[in-house]
Amino acid sequence: KQEVTQIPAALSVPEGENLVLNCSFTDSAIYNLQWFRQDPGKGLTSLLLIQSSQREQTSGRLNASLDKSSGRSTLYIAASQPGDSATYLCAVYNNNDMRFGAGTRLTVKP
Amino acid sequence: KAGVTQTPRYLIKTRGQQVTLSCSPISGHRSVSWYQQTPGQGLQFLFEYFSETQRNKGNFPGRFSGRQFSNSRSEMNVSTLELGDSALYLCASSLHTEAFFGQGTRLTVV
Repeated sequence: KQEVTQIPAALSVPEGENLVLNCSFTDSAIYNLQWFRQDPGKGLTSLLLIQSSQREQTSGRLNASLDKSSGRSTLYIAASQPGDSATYLCAVYNNNDMRFGAGTRLTVKP
Repeated sequence: KAGVTQTPRYLIKTRGQQVTLSCSPISGHRSVSWYQQTPGQGLQFLFEYFSETQRNKGNFPGRFSGRQFSNSRSEMNVSTLELGDSALYLCASSLHTEAFFGQGTRLTVV
């Protein structure tokens, strides 16, 4: 059974800092991995999708990497801003089944 | 292009009642998945529908059921509501495997 873990559970950084969020999964047989952002009480916003054959994806200040063999993905956020404050979740997909981590709650202080 | 629409956004129900939630996917998306999100359990998968057929099911009691119509719109029903059913219910639609989420329905059972 696939298990997804996100470390750390919470992170507080000053504005402008670069940061890395981690996601690990137990079964490397995944079809893709997706990073989401969730604001309090809201739905999930898709940030980046990495197919299993890809190593990384970039969108603006965000860069996500995938190492299937080690069961890890990282989300790199450059030059963080207070508006980046949210919970970030990763999810792995395989066989019509998407499994989520518990998320990392990020606070960026002005 | 319209996103995933969930109605209603908020609901308050009494224990023992039943409730129906609705999800309209992005046009052209045939897969709709439902999730329950609570502070203690995180995001838990309920079920997935594809072309009106339930393709995958999570580990929830039979009180939770769903269906999908020919236009891909989906409904989720919970019967005999319990206090523990209070949660944010999210639906996601996908064309291939990238998931797009709605804003959710906040259900409170009193």
